[in-house]
Amino acid sequence: GQQLNQSPQSMFIQEGEDVSMNCTSSSIFNTWLWYKQDPGEGPVLLIALYKAGELTSNGRLTAQFGITRKDSFLNISASIPSDVGIYFCAGRRGGSEKLVFGKGTKLTVNP
Amino acid sequence: DGGITQSPKYLFRKEGQNVTLSCEQNLNHDAMYWYRQDPGQGLRLIYYSQIVNDFQKGDIAEGYSVSREKKESFPLTVTSAQKNPTAFYLCASQPGLAGYEQYFGPGTRLTVT
Repeated sequence: GQQLNQSPQSMFIQEGEDVSMNCTSSSIFNTWLWYKQDPGEGPVLLIALYKAGELTSNGRLTAQFGITRKDSFLNISASIPSDVGIYFCAGRRGGSEKLVFGKGTKLTVNP
Repeated sequence: DGGITQSPKYLFRKEGQNVTLSCEQNLNHDAMYWYRQDPGQGLRLIYYSQIVNDFQKGDIAEGYSVSREKKESFPLTVTSAQKNPTAFYLCASQPGLAGYEQYFGPGTRLTVT
């Protein structure tokens, strides 16, 4: 099955820094979702996006639905140690009941 | 307290044995999904179900079976035909046509030796 191209694969940052990650696809998507997964746990939904160009925030997290509908971006501002984890993007094509997932961005925050 | 429960958290089996993983949701969601996650990999879809008594194969259905006899339950059986069953298994549910956001359970780590 298709997977989304998510980058970077991993990031090592200092506490307080801002973080950016993105997902791209060759196909158009109608829905973009961003999840965070802690080790040994299920992914937790952070942000859902439904319209091209949409910009949505959840606390220090901001995600955007790309205007081409083939990409999405997640930004984390002023990172803190509890931001550590793996962030996944997921997209849904029109007419599909299934999500397509990226392979994740592993974030490490040094205090 | 609404949510998705998966049990057990850790499961150990001998090779050649079938094993069933439990997934229950009380969110009144129509759709349910099973994913497999391997280290460093994204989530791969095993089976999904949009309504009771109906389900479809995902990308890696071989060696797995499911049932959907009740709206709130979607158990996954890992059969002895699955060549590499050791993995982290995640169950998710989705409202259905009312929304496309999937919510995940805590996962079951299956180890087959």
